[in-house]
Amino acid sequence: AQSVTQLDSHVSVSEGTPVLLRCNYSSSYSPSLFWYVQHPNKGLQLLLKYTSAATLVKGINGFEAEFKKSETSFHLTKPSAHMSDAAEYFCVVSPSGNTPLVFGKGTRLSVIA
Amino acid sequence: ETGVTQTPRHLVMGMTNKKSLKCEQHLGHNAMYWYKQSAKKPLELMFVYSLEERVENNSVPSRFSPECPNSSHLFLHLHTLQPEDSALYLCASSQTARGAWGYTFGSGTRLTVV
Repeated sequence: AQSVTQLDSHVSVSEGTPVLLRCNYSSSYSPSLFWYVQHPNKGLQLLLKYTSAATLVKGINGFEAEFKKSETSFHLTKPSAHMSDAAEYFCVVSPSGNTPLVFGKGTRLSVIA
Repeated sequence: ETGVTQTPRHLVMGMTNKKSLKCEQHLGHNAMYWYKQSAKKPLELMFVYSLEERVENNSVPSRFSPECPNSSHLFLHLHTLQPEDSALYLCASSQTARGAWGYTFGSGTRLTVV
């Protein structure tokens, strides 16, 4: 069965420093992978998606993620954190067949001024 | 505005009340979902509808009753809820039930049961 593991439940960075949110996936085939962001009391917003095209995926708000099959990873990065990036981030995998997306448990990103 | 609209945004209800949450999408999607998001818990999938048929029901208590009258609308009828049902309820839609292109989420309904 497909699954995702977000390796950190909470990450804290200073404004202007790089962001790294880690995600490992488990899949028996080449999956579709996503990162979503959720600001407090809001719905989830799609940041970016990987669907077997380029392995480096660029998303909104300066975020990007790299699909590494050999490491079964899909880490989310941003060169310079902004206060508005403080939110919950979810790594998501699309399983095979007509089954719903599988969500990670989330990583809360705090940005310190 | 994401294309998926949920109403109301906030709801406070007593344990003996009956209320409904509404979700509407005009993205031309064929699948719709209800999720429950409680504090400090993972996102919980409640129901999945594909082409207006319920295709998944994740052992949700019968006090939650979904309805999908057409591919654009999804309701969650609430009846005799418990305080532990207080949560953010999220609706989502996707092109197909597989969701290979991702889901579009609404902003959620914050439910408080008193």
